[in-house]
Amino acid sequence: NAGVTQTPKFQVLKTGQSMTLQCAQDMNHEYMSWYRQDPGMGLRLIHYSVGAGITDQGEVPNGYNVSRSTTEDFPLRLLSAAPSQTSVYFCASSYRRAASYEQYFGPGTRLTVT
Amino acid sequence: DAKTTQPNSMESNEEEPVHLPCNHSTISGTDYIHWYRQLPSQGPEYVIHGLTSNVNNRMASLAIAEDRKSSTLILHRATLRDAAVYYCILKNEGNTGKLIFGQGTTLQVKP
Repeated sequence: NAGVTQTPKFQVLKTGQSMTLQCAQDMNHEYMSWYRQDPGMGLRLIHYSVGAGITDQGEVPNGYNVSRSTTEDFPLRLLSAAPSQTSVYFCASSYRRAASYEQYFGPGTRLTVT
Repeated sequence: DAKTTQPNSMESNEEEPVHLPCNHSTISGTDYIHWYRQLPSQGPEYVIHGLTSNVNNRMASLAIAEDRKSSTLILHRATLRDAAVYYCILKNEGNTGKLIFGQGTTLQVKP
């Protein structure tokens, strides 16, 4: 298994540009989520999904959209990039949302918005 | 969400055991104790989790106090690759499924 994969690894955007961060998992996991990690801060949940066709907001959803058309893929879209969205983005997946299941993280996308 | 308290940093020598403590005095009966670690410039990595009983896996052991108000992650033989930030996280059956990462413990391993 490849686990959780993310592309690209690095990205530089200008303010106002849009882009999509890709996330895929090959473990048939129902639950997928996106976090961002800013320097000196913990990870914060952006959006999550409990299955294909179902998405919901986390604690910092503004400026981001998600969709889940397949079990495997959970892309994160930045609608109009802002410098405040400069961060490292991690995608995670889990067999189920329940507390008894562990989560697996991707390697991250390092995004800089100028 | 219940809070966890960990030391900011710890040091260990290579090939020696490491005991990483975590206090969670406000833990509820349905909170699972999860441990993750994050190596430099990498995503968090799952280590181990448990509810009430001690747990072992290929990476580590988790010792849970009888009253569940504290736990200890045990790395049996530290290697240089184990140098990372270790996070103790309480996870309950909340709607979002999110993991709340605090500051964690930065483990340094000396050769």
